[in-house]
Amino acid sequence: AQSVSQHNHHVILSEAASLELGCNYSYGGTVNLFWYVQYPGQHLQLLLKYFSGDPLVKGIKGFEAEFIKSKFSFNLRKPSVQWSDTAEYFCAVSTTSGTYKYIFGTGTRLKVLA
Amino acid sequence: DTEVTQTPKHLVMGMTNKKSLKCEQHMGHRAMYWYKQKAKKPPELMFVYSYEKLSINESVPSRFSPECPNSSLLNLHLHALQPEDSALYLCASSSDRGIYNEQFFGPGTRLTVL
Repeated sequence: AQSVSQHNHHVILSEAASLELGCNYSYGGTVNLFWYVQYPGQHLQLLLKYFSGDPLVKGIKGFEAEFIKSKFSFNLRKPSVQWSDTAEYFCAVSTTSGTYKYIFGTGTRLKVLA
Repeated sequence: DTEVTQTPKHLVMGMTNKKSLKCEQHMGHRAMYWYKQKAKKPPELMFVYSYEKLSINESVPSRFSPECPNSSLLNLHLHALQPEDSALYLCASSSDRGIYNEQFFGPGTRLTVL
């Protein structure tokens, strides 16, 4: 079945630690990949997106993600997290292989300790 | 204006009530979406409107009835809901329905069905 997996459900880090959140998908064909963030009490916002080209994409607030086609992965990274990065992070995949789909992963709750 | 607005913010309704959720965007986007998000779960796509026409209905029960009166407005009419329909209902919009689309989300309406 088509799916988007985020294996880390809860992550706790200290400030200045490095972050990597995993995202794997199981769609064939053309996909586009997104990371969204939901800060406490706020709505979902786009962090970054990959459509084509350079597999390393940079987003807002120092985040970046790398698309590895052979691994069906799109992991999110940040070299040094801040307390303000405490939020829930969702990976999402869109595809038109078959019918249109826009699927979110299960999310990762990140807590950054000051 | 890069905002998607949703009203009301909170709604409590009985199982026999009829109510409506409203979503509005003024970004000139031609695709609009309804999602349902249960606690600690990712958003699940319910409906997609493209150029004011319903293009995707993800097997949503008929007690949910979407409507797109014009390109800026999206409604979700609710009737005879069940307690398990209690959730956060998110509206989103994008420039078109294609896969090259990032979605802009509203803050959601938190619905409680008694």
